[in-house]
Amino acid sequence: QVQLQESGPGLVKPSETLSLTCTVSGGSISSYYWSWIRQPAGKGLEWIGRIYTSGSTNYNPSLKSRVTMSVDTSKNQFSLKLSSVTAADTAVYYCARVGATTPYLDYWGQGTLVTVSS
Amino acid sequence: EIVLTQSPATLSLSPGERATLSCRASQSVSSYLAWYQQKPGQAPRLLIYDASNRATGIPARFSGSGSGTDFTLTISSLEPEDFAVYYCQQRSNWPPLYTFGQGTKLEIK
Repeated sequence: QVQLQESGPGLVKPSETLSLTCTVSGGSISSYYWSWIRQPAGKGLEWIGRIYTSGSTNYNPSLKSRVTMSVDTSKNQFSLKLSSVTAADTAVYYCARVGATTPYLDYWGQGTLVTVSS
Repeated sequence: EIVLTQSPATLSLSPGERATLSCRASQSVSSYLAWYQQKPGQAPRLLIYDASNRATGIPARFSGSGSGTDFTLTISSLEPEDFAVYYCQQRSNWPPLYTFGQGTKLEIK
């Protein structure tokens, strides 16, 4: 059973960079797309972007200028960096796997709350 | 950008009743639509993919239908554990952009 676990600081100061890592267990990270999604408290889901295990990325245009994703296949991990954060970036951040042959998110991490505050 | 609009925003029903949730796309997505269930404090869970296929382990009381721009998630007889928020989702081909509907909250009446 594939499992995903997000990790990283729960508190980030305004204007700084949010950094999160997702560790994949129970299966290989290879040959899949991996995504980040966020959800502000009481609101809906927003897709941040995806990365393939080759390192190829696609980002949500609304966040593209501030987002960087990377992958480390040797550690079965992928990462998110979001720069110049503001309070509007406060949310639960989820990592998820995109299905091998379908554009859907079939495995999700439990989510991690990141608060942007001084 | 394709926009997904879900209705109603909130649906109040009793256990045992039938639930019908709607998702409308601003342009055709063919059958490339999924439904997710999210309970408080939990990550979303994939229920239905390609509009009508149940994901692994999803009970038969959940069914999806539709194509093009209009889609429906039906729960045939509500169980207490089905009260949650439901999201539809699609991915546009280029640029690849995953979008979600705003959600329908299914609450106990």
